[in-house]
Amino acid sequence: NAGVTQTPKFQVLKTGQSMTLQCAQDMNHEYMSWYRQDPGMGLRLIHYSVGAGITDQGEVPNGYNVSRSTTEDFPLRLLSAAPSQTSVYFCASSTGVSLYFGPGTRLTVL
Amino acid sequence: AQSVSQHNHHVILSEAASLELGCNYSYGGTVNLFWYVQYPGQHLQLLLKYFSGDPLVKGIKGFEAEFIKSKFSFNLRKPSVQWSDTAEYFCAVINTGNQFYFGTGTSLTVIP
Repeated sequence: NAGVTQTPKFQVLKTGQSMTLQCAQDMNHEYMSWYRQDPGMGLRLIHYSVGAGITDQGEVPNGYNVSRSTTEDFPLRLLSAAPSQTSVYFCASSTGVSLYFGPGTRLTVL
Repeated sequence: AQSVSQHNHHVILSEAASLELGCNYSYGGTVNLFWYVQYPGQHLQLLLKYFSGDPLVKGIKGFEAEFIKSKFSFNLRKPSVQWSDTAEYFCAVINTGNQFYFGTGTSLTVIP
């Protein structure tokens, strides 16, 4: 049981580039979410999904897209990276009772 | 909308000192409350949680938290901290829509 996995662990992008952060869980959780963590701002919810085929916006969705074609996977897409998106990104899944976090992706946009 | 406030941004303690980290939330309905810990270079892990019942909740590694409904508070405590408790601590609340809201975190540094 791997829990929540994320790839890559580190990524450097140039402004305007696009990329996808991968997230997968093997716990059969319906709920999955993406957070970004910035110093002094805690964790802010980007997008979330309550099940396959269902996604919704969180607090800071601009510049990010998500899809949920399977229960296991919840990728986060940056369409055109900006320096303001430099952050640590955490994927999490939940039974509705507790959140289980992945190890994070540290993204730098130059 | 729900919000979570952690007023202590950075706390520095010596080993064996007692710890109390403040957490206040704003939500009038039924809430479930959590404390998560993030050790340096690691991801967030659940420390303890409160759903109902005894308002004094005990978690891992000697941590406990007390839910005081009248004060909308869920403060984290530990009688005697250790160097290994150096980490960032996040309070969180989940509402009836299963949305988690996190505080901005408190960075704890324990000096040996």
